[in-house]
Amino acid sequence: DVKVTQSSRYLVKRTGEKVFLECVQDMDHENMFWYRQDPGLGLRLIYFSYDVKMKEKGDIPEGYSVSREKKERFSLILESASTNQTSMYLCASSFPDYNVGAFFGQGTRLTVV
Amino acid sequence: QKEVEQDPGPLSVPEGAIVSLNCTYSNSAFQYFMWYRQYSRKGPELLMYTYSSGNKEDGRFTAQVDKSSKYISLFIRDSQPSDSATYLCASRAGSYQLTFGKGTKLSVIP
Repeated sequence: DVKVTQSSRYLVKRTGEKVFLECVQDMDHENMFWYRQDPGLGLRLIYFSYDVKMKEKGDIPEGYSVSREKKERFSLILESASTNQTSMYLCASSFPDYNVGAFFGQGTRLTVV
Repeated sequence: QKEVEQDPGPLSVPEGAIVSLNCTYSNSAFQYFMWYRQYSRKGPELLMYTYSSGNKEDGRFTAQVDKSSKYISLFIRDSQPSDSATYLCASRAGSYQLTFGKGTKLSVIP
């Protein structure tokens, strides 16, 4: 069975903290993605990676960074958490083949207070 | 203009009804089209994907793409309360990025 696992379902952090969100996939996918999902705004791409140590900015990279040291693991880092980063964060992975969609993790609900 | 437009609903139907969910897109380079189902507080789950124009059927679900009108549809036959979820359409042109609609919230009333 396809599996994308995010390290936490719920997180509460304080403003200014450095926050790490971890994602692991067991499907040997080349591509990995981080999205955030907000009511009325839908899914917005933060960063993606198409190979180990490679990363590309998505639509809203400001305030975030990523790390991909191993193929199966993709980390999202909030350098200094702010209240406007309170959101649902979703990790996804896929093969680069055109005819296959991305598979998502269960999501991390992050609240910054 | 957002590249994939989707009516957010909410859409409420009685159990057993045929449901039609729709998206339009603007990027002619899109060739791959997907539908995701997302239950409350869960990640999106890939339901179906299609390439270019045409229909694809999987049980009670049928995905349809009309590239001439840039229209994507998902039909659900004999809808069940367990189909209550948010449905997201997505399109893909290249190897990497998916472009998502904002989702339509569906409620199937017993």
